[in-house]
Amino acid sequence: SQELEQSPQSLIVQEGKNLTINCTSSKTLYGLYWYKQKYGEGLIFLMMLQKGGEEKSHEKITAKLDEKKQQSSLHITASQPSHAGIYLCGADGYSSGTYKYIFGTGTRLKVLA
Amino acid sequence: NAGVTQTPKFRILKIGQSMTLQCTQDMNHNYMYWYRQDPGMGLKLIYYSVGAGITDKGEVPNGYNVSRSTTEDFPLRLELAAPSQTSVYFCASSYSTGGLNEQFFGPGTRLTVL
Repeated sequence: SQELEQSPQSLIVQEGKNLTINCTSSKTLYGLYWYKQKYGEGLIFLMMLQKGGEEKSHEKITAKLDEKKQQSSLHITASQPSHAGIYLCGADGYSSGTYKYIFGTGTRLKVLA
Repeated sequence: NAGVTQTPKFRILKIGQSMTLQCTQDMNHNYMYWYRQDPGMGLKLIYYSVGAGITDKGEVPNGYNVSRSTTEDFPLRLELAAPSQTSVYFCASSYSTGGLNEQFFGPGTRLTVL
């Protein structure tokens, strides 16, 4: 079955530093989604990538999907305390003909002021 | 629009009790989902629905039941609560699957089974 592996599992950075979170799929991705979860709250959609080589940006967050569509990265430039939370990648997937929407295990980000 | 709403926010159950977690969306989305998130873990799909009257099992359906009598509502039923069901439960909805499948999440229900 398809799995999403995220790295690193946790990250602590000083405010103003850049950082990258990776999401690797065991199978080709048809759609890759990035979400942010503030501690104790629901998930908020950030971006969706579909095409190999696609790159999208929103404010200081940039997400890329590699050409083979099996790995995505989320890059935050000049991090701020407001960026703290859990970042999860998600993807449409199929296992034994059954539709699944799968999530990575998440990356916990802490930004020190 | 309220988006996706869930009730209750918190609940403590005794082993063997039953309860229903409520989920409602007002975006006219066809697809609805129930996930559980255990501490330090990602989300696991319990059940999902592609439309009123249609439900299907996800990755971890045992111990749960769902129904979808209307487009708006997708309640999750726990019949015999067990400590292993202690978790945070999230309901989500999306317009469709495939293509743009952004999911909108509710705020979650924190359930403890003692």
